[in-house]
Amino acid sequence: GAVVSQHPSRVICKSGTSVKIECRSLDFQATTMFWYRQFPKQSLMLMATSNEGSKATYEQGVEKDKFLINHASLTLSTLTVTSAHPEDSSFYICSAPTSGPSYEQYFGPGTRLTVT
Amino acid sequence: KQEVTQIPAALSVPEGENLVLNCSFTDSAIYNLQWFRQDPGKGLTSLLLIQSSQREQTSGRLNASLDKSSGRSTLYIAASQPGDSATYLCAVYDYKLSFGAGTTVTVRA
Repeated sequence: GAVVSQHPSRVICKSGTSVKIECRSLDFQATTMFWYRQFPKQSLMLMATSNEGSKATYEQGVEKDKFLINHASLTLSTLTVTSAHPEDSSFYICSAPTSGPSYEQYFGPGTRLTVT
Repeated sequence: KQEVTQIPAALSVPEGENLVLNCSFTDSAIYNLQWFRQDPGKGLTSLLLIQSSQREQTSGRLNASLDKSSGRSTLYIAASQPGDSATYLCAVYDYKLSFGAGTTVTVRA
């Protein structure tokens, strides 16, 4: 199956700093990628849809100025958490659908962000 | 707004027993439905994908059915093993992927 990677897998940062998370599709091109966050023992919540060559689409309630998304190429999307606060601590996961009629979603391994 | 519900929230069975996990969704206008497995602290592994025109998919010990008109899907896992212990998530795709809260499965050796 298709492979999606994320980097870093874990990051600890101080309150007020910014953190960048990368999502890469390793063996296929993805014009669209999705970013989710997951709180402990809860399901995934879609944050935004990342579109190559255009602006990201954010879900209701997600601050676009706080969670900056850049889809730099057909294999790379980045999520930058700006001015991070402890309440931003969470598990962030990206996904990318394969092309073709199935539109099957493949997920990265996730990034654990801890803001101190 | 699409709502996805998974029942039960948790399930504990002895090794060898068959597992039945249920998923329901409110809007039947979906493109596909996927079942995922998530181990603690890890990302999601795709298990099965059912297109809206299909009624079931099978892979090894796993079988998933889809009844789009009634908004239901069921994941069957035959002859469960301790390695099947994980959280299983159902997700439906219309214009975006909507997840259920998951069923946490424990298979006792």
